[in-house]
Amino acid sequence: DTGVSQNPRHKITKRGQNVTFRCDPISEHNRLYWYRQTLGQGPEFLTYFQNEAQLEKSRLLSDRFSAERPKGSFSTLEIQRTEQGDSAMYLCASSPLGLAGTQETQYFGPGTRLLVL
Amino acid sequence: AQSVTQLGSHVSVSEGALVLLRCNYSSSVPPYLFWYVQYPNQGLQLLLKYTSAATLVKGINGFEAEFKKSETSFHLTKPSAHMSDAAEYFCAVGGGQGAQKLVFGQGTRLTINP
Repeated sequence: DTGVSQNPRHKITKRGQNVTFRCDPISEHNRLYWYRQTLGQGPEFLTYFQNEAQLEKSRLLSDRFSAERPKGSFSTLEIQRTEQGDSAMYLCASSPLGLAGTQETQYFGPGTRLLVL
Repeated sequence: AQSVTQLGSHVSVSEGALVLLRCNYSSSVPPYLFWYVQYPNQGLQLLLKYTSAATLVKGINGFEAEFKKSETSFHLTKPSAHMSDAAEYFCAVGGGQGAQKLVFGQGTRLTINP
């Protein structure tokens, strides 16, 4: 039973560079979520997909951030022109579709830790 | 909007003592409530989930939580702390207005003293 996987686990980049993270959800899960966690804080929601459709985006997701899930399987999160304030742990989670009006459990990956110098 | 407040950013208990981590939520709709645990440099692992089926929810590793609507609370307890319980614990609320996102508290770091 494979869980949610994320690559890379760590990324160090210089300010102004672009970075891309990948998330592979649990295979039968229709929903995929991205969260950001800064040091000493709880995760904050960024965006989520149902299959290939991006259904909700947080105001935290500035124009420099873009997420895709082209075939409804894996997802990528790209940050363009990185800033030092982007340094954080980026967490991916997935969940089954579930019944309408219910909240299914989200299963989290190990995260990608980004450091922008 | 939904929100979560975790009272106490750090809690320290002795091994074998009772663990009590506090969580209060705000939600305009019946909430789904979760407790997750995070070990250093790892993702979040689900401890337990409240879905309105029962107010006392039992989770993994001997943890349980009680939903109290009148107090808007969902405190996490464990009768006897073990050294391996040392970690960061997050309370989260979801299910508001059809949204699927989770709103997390700021976390409580649990330290176990030998």
